[in-house]
Amino acid sequence: GDSVTQMEGPVTLSEEAFLTINCTYTATGYPSLFWYVQYPGEGLQLLLKATKADDKGSNKGFEATYRKETTSFHLEKGSVQVSDSAVYFCALSDPAFRGSNYKLTFGKGTLLTVNP
Amino acid sequence: DGGITQSPKYLFRKEGQNVTLSCEQNLNHDAMYWYRQDPGQGLRLIYYSQIVNDFQKGDIAEGYSVSREKKESFPLTVTSAQKNPTAFYLCASRDRYNEQFFGPGTRLTVL
Repeated sequence: GDSVTQMEGPVTLSEEAFLTINCTYTATGYPSLFWYVQYPGEGLQLLLKATKADDKGSNKGFEATYRKETTSFHLEKGSVQVSDSAVYFCALSDPAFRGSNYKLTFGKGTLLTVNP
Repeated sequence: DGGITQSPKYLFRKEGQNVTLSCEQNLNHDAMYWYRQDPGQGLRLIYYSQIVNDFQKGDIAEGYSVSREKKESFPLTVTSAQKNPTAFYLCASRDRYNEQFFGPGTRLTVL
């Protein structure tokens, strides 16, 4: 079946540091890839997505590129802020997976803490 | 404002009790989902519904039940058969571009 493996945290950075959170996946077909963010005590918000190889999703200074050859979708940001502190989830939706009905398969999440 | 609402935000249950978590959406989406979140484990799918009066089990359906009598509503019942129900429960709906939108969640604690 499908699976997502992401970098284990916690990750602690200083403000304005460069962020990378690694994400790799295994899928039967040609999945869509997502990064979600969860702030403390809240639900998930879609941060960015990519639906085909070499697509780059971007939002709020975050970027991730769909790399089919390495089955990866690493999240990056050039300069993090304290307000970026949250849990980040990588996820995929694989319509080719029999019976998937577009369900999301999630990684375990990476806790990011940004200090002033 | 369109969105998904979940209630209550916090719920406490005694062992042996059934409890029902509410999920309502006004996004006019056909598909809805229930996920369970445990610390360090990501989210796991409990049940999903593609359309009114139809729903399917997800990866961890044992001890849970759902109904889908209206497009807007997809309540989840945590039964006494669920051995470890303490968790954060998230409801989502999916648009025609296959993007899922999440509610704010309900934190269930068994006393």
